[in-house]
Amino acid sequence: EAGVTQFPSHSVIEKGQTVTLRCDPISGHDNLYWYRRVMGKEIKFLLHFVKESKQDESGMPNNRFLAERTGGTYSTLKVQPAELEDSGVYFCASSKTGETFYNEQFFGPGTRLTVL
Amino acid sequence: KNQVEQSPQSLIILEGKNCTLQCNYTVSPFSNLRWYKQDTGRGPVSLTIMTFSENTKSNGRYTATLDADTKQSSLHITASQLSDSASYICVVSVGYKLSFGAGTTVTVRA
Repeated sequence: EAGVTQFPSHSVIEKGQTVTLRCDPISGHDNLYWYRRVMGKEIKFLLHFVKESKQDESGMPNNRFLAERTGGTYSTLKVQPAELEDSGVYFCASSKTGETFYNEQFFGPGTRLTVL
Repeated sequence: KNQVEQSPQSLIILEGKNCTLQCNYTVSPFSNLRWYKQDTGRGPVSLTIMTFSENTKSNGRYTATLDADTKQSSLHITASQLSDSASYICVVSVGYKLSFGAGTTVTVRA
């Protein structure tokens, strides 16, 4: 079974540009999460999808970030326009529906974003 | 202030030796407490998951303990191997929402 995949693995852009990150969850996982780790800090929650619906986007830092999950499959996270403080590693995770107690989340390898 | 604090920030041990990592949390109540291992360039991988009523959980050479009264958890690595070199992250969950510690970087040297 393929794990969570993310693309690209690295992205280097200039301040003011736009970047789109992609996450493909494990097949059959209705729950999809985005997290971010900025330099020297802990990983923090950004948002949670259940299928195509945003369940919780309380962790999104501001309106420059837009997440979508068309058709309830893969998800994209767009940053527009990017700022220096957006640099970090963006992780995606997915989990099965119904496992509300343990809610085992499986993480992708992350996308390292560098904004110059 | 982060609700999940880990110590030490980093440590170096010799292959074959044991080590213990600490986690203090303030998240309450919580669904479960997890320890993840994160290799360089990879995403976190779950090692153990404990509910608030469990005191200990093992996964091979990894043993996690939980004291819900003092809000402390530890991860003990037995007979360390070079492949144990990684960041170990303590995570407390409330439902689907995870609160992460900053991690402890473990380096195992031959």
